[in-house]
Amino acid sequence: RKEVEQDPGPFNVPEGATVAFNCTYSNSASQSFFWYRQDCRKEPKLLMSVYSSGNEDGRFTAQLNRASQYISLLIRDSKLSDSATYLCVVSGDTGFQKLVFGTGTRLLVSP
Amino acid sequence: EAGVTQFPSHSVIEKGQTVTLRCDPISGHDNLYWYRRVMGKEIKFLLHFVKESKQDESGMPNNRFLAERTGGTYSTLKVQPAELEDSGVYFCASSLRTGLGLGEQYFGPGTRLTVT
Repeated sequence: RKEVEQDPGPFNVPEGATVAFNCTYSNSASQSFFWYRQDCRKEPKLLMSVYSSGNEDGRFTAQLNRASQYISLLIRDSKLSDSATYLCVVSGDTGFQKLVFGTGTRLLVSP
Repeated sequence: EAGVTQFPSHSVIEKGQTVTLRCDPISGHDNLYWYRRVMGKEIKFLLHFVKESKQDESGMPNNRFLAERTGGTYSTLKVQPAELEDSGVYFCASSLRTGLGLGEQYFGPGTRLTVT
């Protein structure tokens, strides 16, 4: 079983749509949680950290459920530029932040 | 501020040859990480340096891989001899700090290695 599980997609949505991604993680000792974005043939870039209280950054909202070991990302009012692969990432069972990645969920936003 | 840089961007070598990848972290970042993505799989951790010391090398696949960070600045990752299954994209990342909730990791553009 993978440490971080994500639906690979692709999710095809029209501009303006709301889309949600989920992931689950297996290591209950994980301490830090992130969503990274990766464009085709580019490096991963941090989109946002995820906190138990939930957090929002503009059109993006992330939620963490520690009891269920479940992380979500909601994107509202999708833009063409949101097309990318979204990587669910966990770390921190030792404090040294070795990142454990999911395989990513691909999002395609069309006009 | 310059980001993480990696060299070369692409490398094509034959099985059995040696390749050395280089990573220059963001200036002042003591923490340097190597990750790898092989075709169709997730990005996986290889190892972590704090300055010149190997903090965690649990992800290194075997003894054909040798990472160094002499002087605590740039790092090299040597694969000798390369095998077909070593093909993939090798990412380097750096962070200023570690610790829970700290130390965002900034990734370099990666080196795409193809072993034929």
